Amino acid sequence: DVKVTQSSRYLVKRTGEKVFLECVQDMDHENMFWYRQDPGLGLRLIYFSYDVKMKEKGDIPEGYSVSREKKERFSLILESASTNQTSMYLCASSPGGFETNYGYTFGSGTRLTVV
Amino acid sequence: AQSVTQLGSHVSVSEGALVLLRCNYSSSVPPYLFWYVQYPNQGLQLLLKYTTGATLVKGINGFEAEFKKSETSFHLTKPSAHMSDAAEYFCAVHQGGKLIFGQGTELSVKP
Repeated sequence: DVKVTQSSRYLVKRTGEKVFLECVQDMDHENMFWYRQDPGLGLRLIYFSYDVKMKEKGDIPEGYSVSREKKERFSLILESASTNQTSMYLCASSPGGFETNYGYTFGSGTRLTVV
Repeated sequence: AQSVTQLGSHVSVSEGALVLLRCNYSSSVPPYLFWYVQYPNQGLQLLLKYTTGATLVKGINGFEAEFKKSETSFHLTKPSAHMSDAAEYFCAVHQGGKLIFGQGTELSVKP
């Protein structure tokens, strides 16, 4: 069964900490995405990547960075965590090219609490 | 830029009743449209998608959706709700390799 795996289901971090959220996919997908999900706001795109070492800003990149050193792994980094970054973070992947129109595969999410 | 609007952040139906979740999109070109479902404490799972061809699309768990270009709509329906359908549902449109999501609709099913 194909999978997108997020390393942590729940995280609690302190304000100012550097936080790493890890995502690994085993489908050889070119595209990977990070979203955050907040009640009433749906899913908002933070960053995405179409290939190794490539990254593009989404709609809300402020306060975040990403790293994609290998095709299967896409990391989201909170440089200095703040309480307004408390949220559910969802990673997703999709094939490249035309096949990307066939939807994403999502991980189970990481619920991050910043205190 | 494309956008997606889901009418109603919360919908409540009785078990056995019709489920109707509304989604409208803005697009100047033929869109690719999706419905995802999220059960509590889980990620999103693809319910169904419209890319080309038949405008009535059937998905998993008895759900279906109809693409209506004239109304720019892609409403999700199920003839008879089941308790296990209680979840949050997201409509999404594909734009430039990215999915743009609606705000989500939480479906409650009463016994």
